[in-house]
Amino acid sequence: AQKVTQAQTEISVVEKEDVTLDCVYETRDTTYYLFWYKQPPSGELVFLIRRNSFDEQNEISGRYSWNFQKSTSSFNFTITASQVVDSAVYFCALRDDLALGGANSKLTFGKGITLSVRP
Amino acid sequence: NAGVMQNPRHLVRRRGQEARLRCSPMKGHSHVYWYRQLPEEGLKFMVYLQKENIIDESGMPKERFSAEFPKEGPSILRIQQVVRGDSAAYFCASSPWTGNTEAFFGQGTRLTVV
Repeated sequence: AQKVTQAQTEISVVEKEDVTLDCVYETRDTTYYLFWYKQPPSGELVFLIRRNSFDEQNEISGRYSWNFQKSTSSFNFTITASQVVDSAVYFCALRDDLALGGANSKLTFGKGITLSVRP
Repeated sequence: NAGVMQNPRHLVRRRGQEARLRCSPMKGHSHVYWYRQLPEEGLKFMVYLQKENIIDESGMPKERFSAEFPKEGPSILRIQQVVRGDSAAYFCASSPWTGNTEAFFGQGTRLTVV
């Protein structure tokens, strides 16, 4: 069975601090995808990144960076120089790609991390 | 290209009433997923549909819940005889028939049962 664990439930930082959100996953599949989503106070889900299991290169997008470590089954997310607008709930999710003959499949989400960035 | 559209955004129902949640997928998308987010919880998969077919309903409660995605029109998630525990945010996601794509989520319907 698939599982996504986000052990941190709430994090509070002061603006301009760096913050890392942890994500650990479990799957028996060799082919899978990992995602991060942001849910701001308005409630919608905002897609941030997708990473497949064969690509372990770290990725940077502006103030956001992701560290995928297959050896430890982790896909951590770092926000550099945090801003108040980063305050949101952040979800890590996992999708296997072998179900249904390779077609899109359901996502397994972690419970989310509530990030509060104080001015 | 409009995104995934869900309506209504907010829905209030009294216990025992029926709730109908609608989801119009992105243009060209033939796969729809429904997820439920209980208060302070992550999203939990409910059901996966293609046009006129339920592919995976392993996350659907056995009673009172049903879903459809007809040939024409939006996907509907129907909850009969709602109870307080059904209060949650219900999200719909859609994707096309190709691999390597993330699902695109609607803005959700927040159901409150009073």
